[in-house]
Amino acid sequence: EVQLVESGGGLVQPGGSLRLSCAASGFTFRNYWMSWVRQSPGKGLEWVANIKQDGSEEYYVDSVKGRFTISRDNAKNSLFLQMNTLSGEDTAVYYCIAQGTITLVTDAFDIWGQGTVVSVSS
Amino acid sequence: SYELTQPPSVSVSPGQTASITCSGDKLGNKYACWYQQKPGQSPVLVIYQDNKRPSGIPERFSGSNSGNTATLTISGTQAMDEADYYCQAWDSSTAVFGGGTQLTVL
Repeated sequence: EVQLVESGGGLVQPGGSLRLSCAASGFTFRNYWMSWVRQSPGKGLEWVANIKQDGSEEYYVDSVKGRFTISRDNAKNSLFLQMNTLSGEDTAVYYCIAQGTITLVTDAFDIWGQGTVVSVSS
Repeated sequence: SYELTQPPSVSVSPGQTASITCSGDKLGNKYACWYQQKPGQSPVLVIYQDNKRPSGIPERFSGSNSGNTATLTISGTQAMDEADYYCQAWDSSTAVFGGGTQLTVL
């Protein structure tokens, strides 16, 4: 079964840091682009970042550039999101996503994890 | 930055056809995807590359994309289709989502 399990969320003070992890199973992780998407409470979806199969390319939404870093460990089937200088606007559920694992279309967000909650508050 | 616009809400009677639009500059020149999200659940891909359905998605879900508008159509809408729907496209290597449409089946 294809599965993505996020961890690492929690409560953090403004200006603090947090590292999210995503454990992948049931598919050949190293063959697919991976993304993070977030959803603020009661709001819509916002794409955050993605990373190429071998980690050679990374892209970010403007609001997190310079603060967030996406990375992956293909040997451990894991995706990460290092989040620094957090603010209340970063409060959200963060979803780990595998692109094109089922459709074989890289642009499609095929598989979503259950999400991990990040709350930024003093 | 690129923007996608959806109506906040759409209502439909059971058994009727629901249409949800997504507007963006020259959106027809890009591929559109659609995601369904039910309360408390993660989103699910229901349409990709404008009009393709992933395995397991019912045939009543279809999509189109032309000009500046992509459309998700649900034929013979069922109560279980009540959910939030988001369109999504790529622009300059970044993904963009629409604001979402709450579909009410009543």
